Amino acid sequence: NAGVTQTPKFRVLKTGQSMTLLCAQDMNHEYMYWYRQDPGMGLRLIHYSVGEGTTAKGEVPDGYNVSRLKKQNFLLGLESAAPSQTSVYFCASSLSAKHTGNTIYFGEGSWLTVV
Amino acid sequence: GDSVTQMEGPVTLSEEAFLTINCTYTATGYPSLFWYVQYPGEGLQLLLKATKADDKGSNKGFEATYRKETTSFHLEKGSVQVSDSAVYFCALSPLLIIQGAQKLVFGQGTRLTINP
Repeated sequence: NAGVTQTPKFRVLKTGQSMTLLCAQDMNHEYMYWYRQDPGMGLRLIHYSVGEGTTAKGEVPDGYNVSRLKKQNFLLGLESAAPSQTSVYFCASSLSAKHTGNTIYFGEGSWLTVV
Repeated sequence: GDSVTQMEGPVTLSEEAFLTINCTYTATGYPSLFWYVQYPGEGLQLLLKATKADDKGSNKGFEATYRKETTSFHLEKGSVQVSDSAVYFCALSPLLIIQGAQKLVFGQGTRLTINP
């Protein structure tokens, strides 16, 4: 019952360092998403992908890059981390987007602190 | 643009109390509506959903009815338990799907604590 798996779960970075968050799903889902969660603001969409080899910007894409080289993986990169990127990051996936009632499945989150 | 507003927390109740968490939305047309729950240290899990007006979603004793006339999707439970302590998020999926991707719009979350 793996579902959506994120690594790492916790990370502390220094300002200016780079890192990559890995998301893997084993449900053969076409669509994948990266959200960030900040106190009092709910979740906000960073980037998403509608299929292997495709990515698109969400609501708050600045400072992040993504890649979807394989259908099951969706990577989120921070090239030069900033304290404003301290947050909890959630990966999610869904089978289809042909109607708005599809369930989106979330990973357990990655806690990132930039000092 | 589309938005979701939840009642502000935190909410603290005693076990077996009645729970209501208010959620209202602004959207074009008839979006799908969701409640997600986040237990301590875990990711978000879908609690229930409704895809059209007057639908009632239900799960684990929780219920919410899609009210088009009041643009609301309030979460209710008749008798809460300590294990219900979590953060609850109301969300909508906009009617317009851009590039085939379904993108959820979340409320700010409501932290619920149930005391024994």
